[in-house]
Amino acid sequence: DGGITQSPKYLFRKEGQNVTLSCEQNLNHDAMYWYRQDPGQGLRLIYYSQIVNDFQKGDIAEGYSVSREKKESFPLTVTSAQKNPTAFYLCASSAGLAGNSEQFFGPGTRLTVL
Amino acid sequence: QKEVEQNSGPLSVPEGAIASLNCTYSDRGSQSFFWYRQYSGKSPELIMSIYSNGDKEDGRFTAQLNKASQYVSLLIRDSQPSDSATYLCAVNIGGGTSYGKLTFGQGTILTVHP
Repeated sequence: DGGITQSPKYLFRKEGQNVTLSCEQNLNHDAMYWYRQDPGQGLRLIYYSQIVNDFQKGDIAEGYSVSREKKESFPLTVTSAQKNPTAFYLCASSAGLAGNSEQFFGPGTRLTVL
Repeated sequence: QKEVEQNSGPLSVPEGAIASLNCTYSDRGSQSFFWYRQYSGKSPELIMSIYSNGDKEDGRFTAQLNKASQYVSLLIRDSQPSDSATYLCAVNIGGGTSYGKLTFGQGTILTVHP
């Protein structure tokens, strides 16, 4: 099956902890993205990567970090510097750049800070 | 003014009616436009993409784009209860087809009642 997988589905974090959210795709897409969604809100871009070993900050990158060591993987670390991390985190990928290429989403990870 | 703005909901239509969802955007240079459907608790799924002025039809869905007026709309004909969801408009803000990110509206909740 081709698609985007995210793990875990639910994640609970204590204050002061770093956590890493996994995102893997087997669609052979070049570009990958991380979004955050808060209740009743649209999606806000955290980071995106257009090619391996390169990534750019989105609109709300503070308190987050990413890596892109492999084409199929784009993990997101939520650091203790992120003051309000409880949200629904969505990973997406596209064959090319967002301007001319459709984005497809994984199932998401719900992060809750205890 | 928000970069991407959707008509405030929630929108309620009877089964079999046409549902009309609207979206306006701020950047006149935007080239790519997308509609996503998001069921409660799930990730967004792509319904339509549109790049040129005019209408694009796919089954019961029609996307309409008017770049001069800076709006894009989604019509759902013969609405079904299974269409009840949040609909997200996404626009490639800030550049032409080479730019790497999308900006999402806040979403419109649609309810189709029997």
